[in-house]
Amino acid sequence: DAKTTQPPSMDCAEGRAANLPCNHSTISGNEYVYWYRQIHSQGPQYIIHGLKNNETNEMASLIITEDRKSSTLILPHATLRDTAVYYCIAASVTGNQFYFGTGTSLTVIP
Amino acid sequence: DTGVSQNPRHKITKRGQNVTFRCDPISEHNRLYWYRQTLGQGPEFLTYFQNEAQLEKSRLLSDRFSAERPKGSFSTLEIQRTEQGDSAMYLCASSLGDRGSLGYTFGSGTRLTVV
Repeated sequence: DAKTTQPPSMDCAEGRAANLPCNHSTISGNEYVYWYRQIHSQGPQYIIHGLKNNETNEMASLIITEDRKSSTLILPHATLRDTAVYYCIAASVTGNQFYFGTGTSLTVIP
Repeated sequence: DTGVSQNPRHKITKRGQNVTFRCDPISEHNRLYWYRQTLGQGPEFLTYFQNEAQLEKSRLLSDRFSAERPKGSFSTLEIQRTEQGDSAMYLCASSLGDRGSLGYTFGSGTRLTVV
């Protein structure tokens, strides 16, 4: 699986959009970009994933650059409950393990 | 079925003792995974089952660790002769087939403290 790079921490004001960047410059053609988040003392929670098109679901939007070397997870209206560690993972759909890295610790500020 | 269930949530044990954790996956999920997470780090893969067959093991899974999934339902992870370095959160996840469209569903984990 390709290595990903994320900033260690970010702050976001409550109600504003949170934009979490991820670099995956060595991503291969069959690897998707997955995002998970982990709220303190809980297991990771799936958010969204995509291959090359932008994706949106009820939780977030995923914007992938045309060259697929980077992506941004967007939480459109951050709430205090979005405070968590966010992990960006580049991996094939058929693999058996994820390499989580250390993620981005997002703090939503009232 | 409300998700992946792990028991116990917390376990404190003395060094040298054996411990066993249990994971009940989502009932229709045929794949089950164990991960370990230490403070400040992301989860690290330990092992994976498809039905009752253990198909992959990480080098992190030393010979003191053993995992089983009898009848392809719940799974247990046993650590023998625990060491302080085994202190971590042990996470279980399950999926239906490969991680496909929804990735994994994780449980809330078992936090092990070895004193």
